[in-house]
Amino acid sequence: RKEVEQDPGPFNVPEGATVAFNCTYSNSASQSFFWYRQDCRKEPKLLMSVYSSGNEDGRFTAQLNRASQYISLLIRDSKLSDSATYLCVVAGSNYQLIWGAGTKLIIKP
Amino acid sequence: EPEVTQTPSHQVTQMGQEVILRCVPISNHLYFYWYRQILGQKVEFLVSFYNNEISEKSEIFDDQFSVERPDGSNFTLKIRSTKLEDSAMYFCASNIGLAEETQYFGPGTRLLVL
Repeated sequence: RKEVEQDPGPFNVPEGATVAFNCTYSNSASQSFFWYRQDCRKEPKLLMSVYSSGNEDGRFTAQLNRASQYISLLIRDSKLSDSATYLCVVAGSNYQLIWGAGTKLIIKP
Repeated sequence: EPEVTQTPSHQVTQMGQEVILRCVPISNHLYFYWYRQILGQKVEFLVSFYNNEISEKSEIFDDQFSVERPDGSNFTLKIRSTKLEDSAMYFCASNIGLAEETQYFGPGTRLLVL
């Protein structure tokens, strides 16, 4: 089983729609969880951390389910500029980041 | 806003040659990392570095790889004898401490081994 697993997509979504990504991780001892965004041929950039209670940042909502080892990201009112690859990232007790392969999102006008 | 910088942005080399990729982490950061991303694949952790020594390394980081902090600002990744499969984007990252969540990434060096 892959350490961090994501649907590669691409998700083709009309502008203004809501889109949700999911991610599962295999190591139950994982300590920290993140969503990063990566534009084509650019460095990953932190979108948001994911907390057990769930957290929201503007149009973005992240959820964590430790029992199911499952993380989600919801994007509301999607914009053209949201087109990117979204990377699910998990850190273990040594804080080493383990990366998913990413989900590609394409927002269409 | 302070940034992690990396040089060169692109490097082309012949198989078997040595390359040194350079990074300048954010000045008050104490932890430094190298990651690589082969085209079309996921980001992979290579190594973390703290207090002038390696704190963690992955299976990818074999004897061909080494890291160094030669002065107070630079953090380098050396690949001693490059292979074709070393072609990838190499990202440097830094943060203040392990407990701090955000790792700040540099723009990467694209390495092409011919």
